[in-house]
Amino acid sequence: EAGVAQSPRYKIIEKRQSVAFWCNPISGHATLYWYQQILGQGPKLLIQFQNNGVVDDSQLPKDRFSAERLKGVDSTLKIQPAKLEDSAVYLCASSFALAGELDTQYFGPGTRLTVL
Amino acid sequence: GENVEQHPSTLSVQEGDSAVIKCTYSDSASNYFPWYKQELGKRPQLIIDIRSNVGEKKDQRIAVTLNKTAKHFSLHITETQPEDSAVYFCAARKTNTDKLIFGTGTRLQVFP
Repeated sequence: EAGVAQSPRYKIIEKRQSVAFWCNPISGHATLYWYQQILGQGPKLLIQFQNNGVVDDSQLPKDRFSAERLKGVDSTLKIQPAKLEDSAVYLCASSFALAGELDTQYFGPGTRLTVL
Repeated sequence: GENVEQHPSTLSVQEGDSAVIKCTYSDSASNYFPWYKQELGKRPQLIIDIRSNVGEKKDQRIAVTLNKTAKHFSLHITETQPEDSAVYFCAARKTNTDKLIFGTGTRLQVFP
């Protein structure tokens, strides 16, 4: 089966600019996650969707980050305006199970963001 | 708050030797512990996982052990091969949530 797709793979912007990332989960997966992975650290959850609803966005810096999954399939993550400390790899993951059920999370290849 | 500590941060072994990576978690309500392998520039991939009702799980050269009382779990790789070289992340998931708390990663290098 096709894996989680993300684009772009790389993005370089200047601070205070805006950027958007796109994720297409594995077909049929109800739950979608966005993680931030800073160099040398493990992934940190930013937001979790079940279908088109938000399950957990407690770690999302809402003053500058936003995310949506309007039709319950693809998702976009936006940063506006970007700061230097936003430089990281942004990973999208998906799982078949509904929120609260135990299931494997499958990761996409990530988008490497560099903020200059 | 929830925390997962992982050791060592780097590990170098000779091909054929065993490698052990250890993690401890803080939340006693955690019930699921996956291990991910991430090669340079690539996505994290699940290699093995264990649930809190099991003490040990094995899949060919890879095994994971869980000690719920001590709140720690370990990854064991036997007969290491150069292609095992990667960064390995442990994670813990709290009961009734999907949130995975990841460790800081272990860079494993297997020398031929």
